Amino acid sequence: AQSVTQLDSQVPVFEEAPVELRCNYSSSVSVYLFWYVQYPNQGLQLLLKYLSGSTLVKGINGFEAEFNKSQTSFHLRKPSVHISDTAEYFCAVTYKAAGNKLTFGGGTRVLVKP
Amino acid sequence: DTGVSQDPRHKITKRGQNVTFRCDPISEHNRLYWYRQTLGQGPEFLTYFQNEAQLEKSRLLSDRFSAERPKGSFSTLEIQRTEQGDSAMYLCASSIRDRDTEAFFGQGTRLTVV
Repeated sequence: AQSVTQLDSQVPVFEEAPVELRCNYSSSVSVYLFWYVQYPNQGLQLLLKYLSGSTLVKGINGFEAEFNKSQTSFHLRKPSVHISDTAEYFCAVTYKAAGNKLTFGGGTRVLVKP
Repeated sequence: DTGVSQDPRHKITKRGQNVTFRCDPISEHNRLYWYRQTLGQGPEFLTYFQNEAQLEKSRLLSDRFSAERPKGSFSTLEIQRTEQGDSAMYLCASSIRDRDTEAFFGQGTRLTVV
């Protein structure tokens, strides 16, 4: 079975400052990793995904994440946040034999302050 | 294609009533997933279909829950004899088997049981 731990439930950050959201996973098989963003009362939107290949993954809205197999981590970063980045962010994992069903972390709420 | 569509967006029901939600996936997607998200938590997997076949059900899906995808297109999720603990956001997602593994989410149906 897989599990995902998002180490920070809330991250306050000032506008134009960098942000890092931490994600650790556990799995006995090779995994695919995702970051999704959720705005209030909305569904989930994919920010980026790691399937294979380069461990540095670039996504939409200036976000990037780095897959670290030895540390079983997939941390999300943005060098300069905007007010519009205020949202909840979810890290998720799946693997091919799981029918691609996702296991999510508990989420990190990012609050960008002016 | 406008993406994954869920109906209704909001539902308030009295305890003990039955409710049914509908999900229309992206047209060429053969996989369809249901997740439940309670306040402040990440989504949890409930069940998924490949075409019309229901391939997996979570232990979260009690006997009061039933999901169908009769023609391999839209899906319904029914909850019988609703309880206050059923209050949550119900998310639907769809994907193409073996293509990028990315799941596209609908905007969800928020259920409130009073």
